[in-house]
Amino acid sequence: EVQLVESGGGLVQPGGSLRLSCAASGFTFSSYDMHWVRQATGKGLEWVSAIGTAGDTYYPGSVKGRFTISRENAKNSLYLQMNSLRAGDTAVYYCARAPLVGATFPGFDYWGQGTLVTVSS
Amino acid sequence: DIQLTQSPSFLSASVGDRVTITCRASQGISSYLAWYQQKPGKAPKLLIYAASTLQSGVPSRFSGSGSGTEFTLTISSLQPEDFATYYCQQLNSYPLLTFGGGTKVEIK
Repeated sequence: EVQLVESGGGLVQPGGSLRLSCAASGFTFSSYDMHWVRQATGKGLEWVSAIGTAGDTYYPGSVKGRFTISRENAKNSLYLQMNSLRAGDTAVYYCARAPLVGATFPGFDYWGQGTLVTVSS
Repeated sequence: DIQLTQSPSFLSASVGDRVTITCRASQGISSYLAWYQQKPGKAPKLLIYAASTLQSGVPSRFSGSGSGTEFTLTISSLQPEDFATYYCQQLNSYPLLTFGGGTKVEIK
């Protein structure tokens, strides 16, 4: 059974840092692109970062330069290092798996349960 | 960046109703569009990918159509378990992705 379990969320002051983890099981982790998606309370979904199987990384402008996605295939783990945190980064953060179907990525077929990050003084 | 605009943002419907949600892209995205369903306190669930392909295990009352810049998600006969928020996602610029703003479907 595919499982994604996030951890590491919590309360952090503005300007602070936090590292999220996502433990994967039930599939060959190294063979999949992985993503982070966040959702502020009562708001929509926002894509936060992606990492390919070769370790290539991607970010939207809102977090570029502040967030770093990484993976450790030997530990079946995905990470998100978040620095210079702002109140606007407060959200539930989900990790998600992006399968390759044929030559395209159809979407995220598995998601974790999410971990809450609160940025407040 | 590709923007996605969903409409309506909220709709009220009854069990058995046919429901249609629209997602418009700011530029052509071919058929690289997915739809998700999200219930309160839960992670989103993939319903449809490639604009019209039903994800395994998703009931056939869900269908998707469209290409280019205009897409629709249709629920042919709304069931109690379908009351949720629905999001579209573009994958044309993968891995740089965007979601629509969401459509909340509530019970009339």
